[in-house]
This record gives sequence, structure tokens and C-alpha cells, in this order.
Amino acid sequence: QVQLQESGPGLVKPSQTLSLTCTVSGGSISSGDYYWSWIRQPPGKGLEWIGYIYYSGNTSYKPSLKSRVTISVDTSKNQFSLRLTSVTAADTAVYYCARTGDPNWFDPWGQGTLVTVSS
Amino acid sequence: DIQMTQSPSSLSASVGDRVTITCRASQSISSYLSWYQQKPGKAPKLLIYAASSLQSGVPSRFSGSGSGTDFTLTISSLQPEDSATYHCQQSDRTPLTFGGGTKVEIK
Repeated sequence: QVQLQESGPGLVKPSQTLSLTCTVSGGSISSGDYYWSWIRQPPGKGLEWIGYIYYSGNTSYKPSLKSRVTISVDTSKNQFSLRLTSVTAADTAVYYCARTGDPNWFDPWGQGTLVTVSS
Repeated sequence: DIQMTQSPSSLSASVGDRVTITCRASQSISSYLSWYQQKPGKAPKLLIYAASSLQSGVPSRFSGSGSGTDFTLTISSLQPEDSATYHCQQSDRTPLTFGGGTKVEIK
């Protein structure tokens, strides 16, 4: 079955760029059947959708984050990535990647990775 | 953005009890609603999509209902392994949004 795994630094300094990669196994991003999302959860808080990408490169972002977010895809590596610029402490969260079905449900999810923004 | 409001924010119930969690959307989302279960330190798990469709492998004691703006998740007979936080999510339009979560504890 499809599995997703996040990877990237666990600590980012304020004003710098957060970069994470999600590696998909057991299925192909290029199948075209799904979108691929990033979702985050600050410690002790609720879930926030950041955005998603289709294998063709089409994206949709949460408007309040759009100026700082880029989601990209590398179909040759079966990966998709998140870049979030100019981070602050408010961006400290567990970041999840998830396959996004029709219409817009999330399954499965990666295990999540905690990213802390601190100097 | 569509706001999703869950109630209650937490509840405590006994094994075997029937448990109902409510989710209300700030505008009509037809049947575009999903429910997730999240245990501490784990990723959310999809339980229900399209308001009432049970995801493969999810026990039949979980059920969902509703349309428009009002939705419910029901656990027909609460089990110890159901202790978790439950999240609703509207899948009608972007930006996709979640409710604040309902923490279910076992008495």
C-alpha cells in the first residue's frame, strides 16, 4: 500500500526557509489519480492545510500562506516538497504530507515531522 | 474560508456508550465532509469521507451523517481503543479547513 515519509531539518532559524520533502512509496505520484498535500499542526493545536500539488505541477495554496509557500514535485524521484520562507515561531509545528483523494480527503498521511523555529 | 466548528471540544464516556460528535460548517458544503481519528503522537487516520462513507478497514461502529452545514460522527459502542481526538474537515472547496477537534476519553 502507499506510504509517505517526510524528511528535512527539525530546527530552522527565524527569517530563514523551511524545506521538507515527502517521499512516496508503493504508488506513483504520476498516476494522476490524486493530489499531494502538506498539512501542519502546531503543538497542542488543530490541523491546518497548507496546500497541494498535482503531478503536472498545478498547485493550490492556503491564501494566508501563499506569499511564503512553494510546493513542487519531482516525479522522477516520486517526491514532492514544501518550501516556507521567512519563518517565525508561529510556524513551529508537526508537518505532515498526505495523499489527497477526490474530493479532497487525506489518506494516507506520513508520520509527521516536528519543525521548530528558534534561534 | 469555510469555518468548521466542532462540539463538544472534549467528552468522557464509558465503554459501550453511544458517542456523538457534531461538526457545523459556516456555509453549505453539501456532503463534502471527512472525519479523522488522531491518537497522541500519531498522524490522523481517515475514518469517514463524503459525510457517510466508511473508509476501508474502519470498524462499523463508526458512522457519519449529515449534509449542508450540520454533520455528526457516531461511535455506536465506544471501545477502549477509540480514545483519541476526532477532527472534521470540509472537502468542498479550497482552502480546505478542519474543525478544532474533539477529544474523547474513556471513563
